[in-house]
Amino acid sequence: EDQVTQSPEALRLQEGESSSLNCSYTVSGLRGLFWYRQDPGKGPEFLFTLYSAGEEKEKERLKATLTKKESFLHITAPKPEDSATYLCAVQSSGSARQLTFGSGTQLTVLP
Amino acid sequence: SAVISQKPSRDICQRGTSLTIQCQVDSQVTMMFWYRQQPGQSLTLIATANQGSEATYESGFVIDKFPISRPNLTFSTLTVSNMSPEDSSIYLCSGRQGSDTQYFGPGTRLTVL
Repeated sequence: EDQVTQSPEALRLQEGESSSLNCSYTVSGLRGLFWYRQDPGKGPEFLFTLYSAGEEKEKERLKATLTKKESFLHITAPKPEDSATYLCAVQSSGSARQLTFGSGTQLTVLP
Repeated sequence: SAVISQKPSRDICQRGTSLTIQCQVDSQVTMMFWYRQQPGQSLTLIATANQGSEATYESGFVIDKFPISRPNLTFSTLTVSNMSPEDSSIYLCSGRQGSDTQYFGPGTRLTVL
């Protein structure tokens, strides 16, 4: 059974204070690892897909990296508007190809 | 990318009634899904909506409780039947383009009294 564990559950940062969110996973053949951002009262917003260990992707202040066991979402010099819950999900290469989500990290960036 | 809309955005319903949620995608998607997200928790897959045939349900979810239709490639409905307070949740529609990238609608916030 695919499993995704995200840490920490919650993170408070001062504006400009860089940090990383962790997503550890176990999956029977990784097809893709996905990062989403979710604001309160809204649906998840797609950020990145990573497919293989060593891959990196960037978008503004966010950079996602992938190893064989975990992924990191690095946030550089965050701003208050980066405050949201960040969700990680994995897709296995099995026939169902469903997404298995972690419980998320709630990020608060204080001005 | 795909833009997904849902109706209604929220509703308050009485116990024992049913609510149908509509999902519209602005472009063709290969797969459509329905998720449930309870307050402060992550997403749980209810079912995969299959075009022109019965949906594929996950363990713990049954067709009698959550009937789903998908008459074409861009539209689907989820009905929450015979509701109880335990059904209070956010229901999310999702569409997948190609084989990977999956987009989500804004969600329908359901409260059952």
